[in-house]
Amino acid sequence: DARVTQTPRHKVTEMGQEVTMRCQPILGHNTVFWYRQTMMQGLELLAYFRNRAPLDDSGMPKDRFSAEMPDATLATLKIQPSEPRDSAVYFCASGSSGSYEQYFGPGTRLTVT
Amino acid sequence: RKEVEQDPGPFNVPEGATVAFNCTYSNSASQSFFWYRQDCRKEPKLLMSVYSSGNEDGRFTAQLNRASQYISLLIRDSKLSDSATYLCVVNTNAGKSTFGDGTTLTVKP
Repeated sequence: DARVTQTPRHKVTEMGQEVTMRCQPILGHNTVFWYRQTMMQGLELLAYFRNRAPLDDSGMPKDRFSAEMPDATLATLKIQPSEPRDSAVYFCASGSSGSYEQYFGPGTRLTVT
Repeated sequence: RKEVEQDPGPFNVPEGATVAFNCTYSNSASQSFFWYRQDCRKEPKLLMSVYSSGNEDGRFTAQLNRASQYISLLIRDSKLSDSATYLCVVNTNAGKSTFGDGTTLTVKP
């Protein structure tokens, strides 16, 4: 059963520290999305890639967030430096550009103290 | 005004009831539409796609009205296991996705 995997599942860190979240999309999927979910804001699209190229990262705070796809099997989301307001669940999702269906990973629950 | 709006609910219904959710979107260039289900502290899961002709999957029926820019989800014969948050999603042709904030459903015995 193909699934999107994300690591770590939970992360607690202090303000100012760097945080790196990783995502392995479903094999064969060429589109990857990063979302952030909080109680207040719901599910927000941070960035998405197609064929490893960033298509839109307008939802991402550029000064501290960065997203990359070093290869087709790995997507990363980095926060440096982290702040308490970054506390949220970060989801990665993958899909095929032809169908627009998205399959979500289990998320990384980030707490910044 | 948000790009995608949903009634947050909560909807509290007895088992066996029929319940309907609506979702409106503002971008007339939107191309594809979906409903997702999200259980507490879990990831969203694809429930069904939404087509102009309407589509049905068991007890679930989804419909799209492009002229009025809304999509709907109808659940018949509600089960306790249907309790969840239901998210509508609207995609542009470029593949950008916008999620609604979700509608919470609680089905009670």
